[in-house]
Amino acid sequence: GQSLEQPSEVTAVEGAIVQINCTYQTSGFYGLSWYQQHDGGAPTFLSYNGLDGLEETGRFSSFLSRSDSYGYLLLQELQMKDSASYFCAVRDNYGQNFVFGPGTRLSVLP
Amino acid sequence: GAVVSQHPSWVICKSGTSVKIECRSLDFQATTMFWYRQFPKQSLMLMATSNEGSKATYEQGVEKDKFLINHASLTLSTLTVTSAHPEDSSFYICSPEGAGDRLGNEQFFGPGTRLTVL
Repeated sequence: GQSLEQPSEVTAVEGAIVQINCTYQTSGFYGLSWYQQHDGGAPTFLSYNGLDGLEETGRFSSFLSRSDSYGYLLLQELQMKDSASYFCAVRDNYGQNFVFGPGTRLSVLP
Repeated sequence: GAVVSQHPSWVICKSGTSVKIECRSLDFQATTMFWYRQFPKQSLMLMATSNEGSKATYEQGVEKDKFLINHASLTLSTLTVTSAHPEDSSFYICSPEGAGDRLGNEQFFGPGTRLTVL
């Protein structure tokens, strides 16, 4: 089986830091990715972790611990435009396709 | 990144009609195409995977006779929703992948097609 878990909703204020966690159980693992999706739009790629540790890309960072089957997305200096849904995703089935988590809806308040 | 287009971006149709959605990869050859469906406030659910020139592989619970996928060229794949019903109303998103992209880090998506069946 394969499943990913994320919190359903997170609320924070502008300028704050927020962490979105993701735990996974998959039959195969080829890295953890993160995607952002604004209402009405398609997902866009944010970050990828193939090995344990922290990856930093501007205001966004992502962390992976393969031994714990756990990762997180860290968003710093939150802006209103960061209000969106965030999905973690794992390559599964021997790399055939991505499996997406249920998504976390982030609301950034002024 | 890859440039992917989908047409139409939105469509409203009557129950019982068929709707064709086109997905084009504009700047690379898509040897594989993933088709996803997303209901409001839910995640992306993979419907089927197609390889150019081959029959699509459908996920469990997805009717292959209802959702017809054609991937006859490396730049175009189509999804036809046959005899659409209100429960088929959803956001349909394609995602192409090129040869050699397997195990790549990033997945590219089309802008999506919003289907509303009355």
